[in-house]
Amino acid sequence: AQSVTQLGSHVSVSEGALVLLRCNYSSSVPPYLFWYVQYPNQGLQLLLKYTTGATLVKGINGFEAEFKKSETSFHLTKPSAHMSDAAEYFCAVSDRNSGYSTLTFGKGTMLLVSP
Amino acid sequence: NAGVTQTPKFQVLKTGQSMTLQCAQDMNHNSMYWYRQDPGMGLRLIYYSASEGTTDKGEVPNGYNVSRLNKREFSLRLESAAPSQTSVYFCASSGDVRFSGYTFGSGTRLTVV
Repeated sequence: AQSVTQLGSHVSVSEGALVLLRCNYSSSVPPYLFWYVQYPNQGLQLLLKYTTGATLVKGINGFEAEFKKSETSFHLTKPSAHMSDAAEYFCAVSDRNSGYSTLTFGKGTMLLVSP
Repeated sequence: NAGVTQTPKFQVLKTGQSMTLQCAQDMNHNSMYWYRQDPGMGLRLIYYSASEGTTDKGEVPNGYNVSRLNKREFSLRLESAAPSQTSVYFCASSGDVRFSGYTFGSGTRLTVV
């Protein structure tokens, strides 16, 4: 069973519009949650993470995500998209299935930003 | 401040050839990982090493072997390359996955013809 699902392989927004990238997890015990960004021909860079404590997490480049246990979700948002946000975004979980020793990644969402 | 270094960055192999992908980290992390990235498939774990001296299979280990040479280095070997192994390979390391996630290398783009 997939531990993490990202809805939408591609999301298109206009510059200045709200960015919403969706991530749902399937663990019955709340996992540790991460968002990574990958720019073309580069490695993955950590955007933000949820471990414990505050459920609204702020990351780099103006992104934030909210952990909602009741919805088993960890959606990524940004109030106003910039052209430089165009990249692929990956949600990842560390959960009991893996003994908290590895990350399981979603299939990724490509964010396209138009002028 | 190198982080995770992978070599080579690009490689073209003929079917049946062998090669080793190298990975080194300078952050004193205990755990190291190899993933492959294919379009529409996300990242899939090949092998990992939770600590020096241990290795474990991930989701897609067939056709690969690994060696944790020391705490810094974790190599991935393709003994007899196949076109299905054409992919981008990422090495990563971590201190405690739960609290810090991974630090990734910049990747190796491998084409098997």
